[in-house]
Formats: sequence, C-alpha cells, structure tokens
Amino acid sequence: EAQVTQNPRYLITVTGKKLTVTCSQNMNHEYMSWYRQDPGLGLRQIYYSMNVEVTDKGDVPEGYKVSRKEKRNFPLILESPSPNQTSLYFCASSQSGPPGEQFFGPGTRLTVL
Amino acid sequence: DAKTTQPPSMDCAEGRAANLPCNHSTISGNEYVYWYRQIHSQGPQYIIHGLKNNETNEMASLIITEDRKSSTLILPHATLRDTAVYYCIVRVTGGYQKVTFGTGTKLQVIP
Repeated sequence: EAQVTQNPRYLITVTGKKLTVTCSQNMNHEYMSWYRQDPGLGLRQIYYSMNVEVTDKGDVPEGYKVSRKEKRNFPLILESPSPNQTSLYFCASSQSGPPGEQFFGPGTRLTVL
Repeated sequence: DAKTTQPPSMDCAEGRAANLPCNHSTISGNEYVYWYRQIHSQGPQYIIHGLKNNETNEMASLIITEDRKSSTLILPHATLRDTAVYYCIVRVTGGYQKVTFGTGTKLQVIP
C-alpha cells in the first residue's frame, strides 16, 4: 500500500532535549516536505527536499533541521526543542512529474514542556 | 508561489452542492490549482487539480475562470462526511518549490 509513515505519532518532551521525528515513503517520490499546523495558522511549510542531499527552507525553518540521505526517508530534527514548537507536524511526499499531488502522513503531535 | 485567498468558513445543507471559492490572482502561467481537504486533524487529502480547463473526478469538480485568477471547487451532493477544512494552493505540477497552504475554508455540512 502506498503510504507516508511518521514516527512517533505522539511525543511529549522537555525543553532542550533533542528529538527526531522520522518520515518514510514507499512511492519512490523525489519531493518530500515537512509542515507544522497550529490553530488559526493553517499548514506552514518548514523544510522541503527535491531529492537526496538537496533540501531548502520553507516558511518557518527556524529551530529545525532536516536531512535526506536516502530517497525514502526525510527526518525532522529538533536539536533544542522549545515550547513554541509544540504543534501538529505532517510529512508529505510527491513525485517530480505530473500530477504532482502531495501524499501526507498521519501526523505527529508534539508537546514540549 | 502565488498566494491564494479563501473564505474562512462556509455552511452547506446536506445533499446540496457545496461551492468553495478560491482567489489566486497572481497565478503564473505554469502553475496548477490544487485542492486538498483535511478532516479533523488527519493528514490532508488530495482532491483534484487543474491548469485552465474544468476538471471532474469521483470526488469533485473544479471550475477555473478563463483568466485563471480564481477557481471554484464543487462538491455536487455534500454529505456530513464532507465536513472538513478545504485548502486551495497553486504550484507548478510536481515542482521543486516551496508550497504555501494558507488557512483554508472550514466547510460545515448541516443535516
């Protein structure tokens, strides 16, 4: 089954404790992306990747890192999480050619105390 | 990316057509219009996309104005399960670029 998976689905952590949220897709998609969603602010893109070793900033990259060492994986790293990074996070992927629609993961709800 | 403007909320009676508008007046010639919806806090789901011709699939119809500055997503017979937030975005199809979703339209289908 074609899908985007994220782990963990729920995470409660404390300020400053490094964490990684994993994202994996099995559709051989080139484009992968991370979004955060906060009440009243919609979906905002954090980082995106065009292919292995090629990444770029979205609208809200501060406080986040990403890496793309394999085509199927695109982890989101919070080196020193802060309470303002408490949010719902989504990973998405799409192919480079048409139709180009994005497939989204189920989301990771992160709480930073 | 071109920005899109959508009304924050709309109501629709069950069984009636839901018409959701989107303004994208700065759209570029090679940018497509995509629609997604998000039910509760699930991952957004792709609905439909188009360039300049009207499009229809099993979920919805997409009407794009001739000047491409706006579009309308039509759910022909809305059901309670269509209650969701609907997002309109524009991007080059499959393009390698930043994507801006905005805040979307909260559609409430009323029994």
